Amino acid sequence: TQLLEQSPQFLSIQEGENLTVYCNSSSVFSSLQWYRQEPGEGPVLLVTVVTGGEVKKLKRLTFQFGDARKDSSLHITAAQPGDTGLYLCAGHMDSNYQLIWGAGTKLIIKP
Amino acid sequence: NAGVMQNPRHLVRRRGQEARLRCSPMKGHSHVYWYRQLPEEGLKFMVYLQKENIIDESGMPKERFSAEFPKEGPSILRIQQVVRGDSAAYFCASSPPSGEWGEQYFGPGTRLTVT
Repeated sequence: TQLLEQSPQFLSIQEGENLTVYCNSSSVFSSLQWYRQEPGEGPVLLVTVVTGGEVKKLKRLTFQFGDARKDSSLHITAAQPGDTGLYLCAGHMDSNYQLIWGAGTKLIIKP
Repeated sequence: NAGVMQNPRHLVRRRGQEARLRCSPMKGHSHVYWYRQLPEEGLKFMVYLQKENIIDESGMPKERFSAEFPKEGPSILRIQQVVRGDSAAYFCASSPPSGEWGEQYFGPGTRLTVT
């Protein structure tokens, strides 16, 4: 059982559509990070959220941390082919240096 | 400021040979993490090291795998007597000594193929 569950596992949509992917847990995290990984490359850090209810925007990407700090979402507006990749969430629990990883959402944006 | 460097990017080994994977962290980073990733899967933690110390190796197989991060030089992940099941992408990440919220910065990975 994964401590961080990501959904959906796979998503394929047309360019221009909006989408949301989720990262859920029954445990509380002190911080949560989102990474994007392209084929053949390492994950690249997109954002870190630390405060319950926090919302961060990165161009067309909006990240939200749940009020209880147990879940997070990533919303992409007007998706573009360049958004294609594996989106991974990872979190820190209090007093633990280790990052807990979700299994990822594989996103394909078709032109 | 160069990012995390890993080499080689691709490594082919026959069963029974040794594989050595190298990782140079970002400048100023003294914490190194090694992860393994199978195709279409997420990252699996292997080991966390600081200079000259193994902090947590709970994700490392008990046999054939070892890791080090010497005072000078890169961190090395060593796999002895490789088997086909060791074929995977191995990623190294680094973080600074007082990394805010534990953010990790990844290298491009080494893709190990065991034939």
